[in-house]
Amino acid sequence: QKEVEQNSGPLSVPEGAIASLNCTYSDRGSQSFFWYRQYSGKSPELIMSIYSNGDKEDGRFTAQLNKASQYVSLLIRDSQPSDSATYLCAVNGYNFNKFYFGSGTKLNVKP
Amino acid sequence: GAVVSQHPSRVICKSGTSVKIECRSLDFQATTMFWYRQFPKQSLMLMATSNEGSKATYEQGVEKDKFLINHASLTLSTLTVTSAHPEDSSFYICSARGLVRGEQYFGPGTRLTVT
Repeated sequence: QKEVEQNSGPLSVPEGAIASLNCTYSDRGSQSFFWYRQYSGKSPELIMSIYSNGDKEDGRFTAQLNKASQYVSLLIRDSQPSDSATYLCAVNGYNFNKFYFGSGTKLNVKP
Repeated sequence: GAVVSQHPSRVICKSGTSVKIECRSLDFQATTMFWYRQFPKQSLMLMATSNEGSKATYEQGVEKDKFLINHASLTLSTLTVTSAHPEDSSFYICSARGLVRGEQYFGPGTRLTVT
């Protein structure tokens, strides 16, 4: 079992729709959770972090965390073609000594 | 804040030569840096974890004598690909661990082509 699981996609949504990206993790002691965006040919960029159960909103992005279900999600409202990228979920283990990336979900936003 | 630079951004070298890639944290001190490799359309692959002032920890399957890592200061880590071969051609990305919750900030990457 992988430490962090993501559906590889591609996830296709029309422009203006809500894109929902999901991630599960196996280490119940995980403390910190992150979403990165990676455009083709570029390095990953940190876009959201969340540390406690519930929702965290930042502009069009909302991260959701459910530690009981070991589940993290990222919602992108009013999706734009410029949001088309691969989104990586990352989890920091207990004491921050292990950092695991999912394999990423490719998002396509169609104009 | 939390800016990481990498140099060079692109390098072409001949087979058998060595290439050094620098990774710098510009606005914070990074006790821990990471080196990744990514082939086209594939996931990030962690190569090694670099701690300032100590030897790097390499992931299984990564040759430490081929990929030399030095983390001599709190803002600089270097990766040297020794005796490069065409199969070493890849996108090499470094990251630095942040100070809040262990988040990682990535450099822009170095695209290595070995001819």
